[in-house]
Amino acid sequence: RKEVEQDPGPFNVPEGATVAFNCTYSNSASQSFFWYRQDCRKEPKLLMSVYSSGNEDGRFTAQLNRASQYISLLIRDSKLSDSATYLCVVNGADSSYKLIFGSGTRLLVRP
Amino acid sequence: EAGVAQSPRYKIIEKRQSVAFWCNPISGHATLYWYQQILGQGPKLLIQFQNNGVVDDSQLPKDRFSAERLKGVDSTLKIQPAKLEDSAVYLCASITRRPGGWNEQFFGPGTRLTVL
Repeated sequence: RKEVEQDPGPFNVPEGATVAFNCTYSNSASQSFFWYRQDCRKEPKLLMSVYSSGNEDGRFTAQLNRASQYISLLIRDSKLSDSATYLCVVNGADSSYKLIFGSGTRLLVRP
Repeated sequence: EAGVAQSPRYKIIEKRQSVAFWCNPISGHATLYWYQQILGQGPKLLIQFQNNGVVDDSQLPKDRFSAERLKGVDSTLKIQPAKLEDSAVYLCASITRRPGGWNEQFFGPGTRLTVL
């Protein structure tokens, strides 16, 4: 079983749609959780960290369910510029300095 | 603030040849990482340095890959000899501690390696 699992997609949605991505992680000792965004042929960049209570940043909402070892990202009112791959990331159980990346979920927002 | 620098950006070699990649992290960042990202996958950690010491190299194929960070600043990753399956983007990253106690990783633009 992979340490971090994501649906690879692609998710193909129209502008203005709401889309949700899910992610599961295997190590219950993980403490830090993130969503990174990666544009085509570019490096990953931090989108947002994920807090236990859930958190929102504009059109983006992240949720964490520790009991189910499940992380989600909700994007409301999708824009063309949201087209990218979204990587679910958790820290290694033995270190907050080690990050483990999922394979990513690809999002295509069409006009 | 300057970002993580990497060179070269692209490299094409034939199998069994050698190749080296260079990385200069953000100034003052003690922790440096090398990742391998194969097409369609997420980045996979190869090696982590803390200053000039290796913290984690458990996923580094040591029969062909080596890395060093002699002065605790810039770093070099080498592959010798390269195999077809080494074709990937090699990403370097360093971290900043955020007020919330978590670490944000900043990535360089990567070196795209093609092994023919």
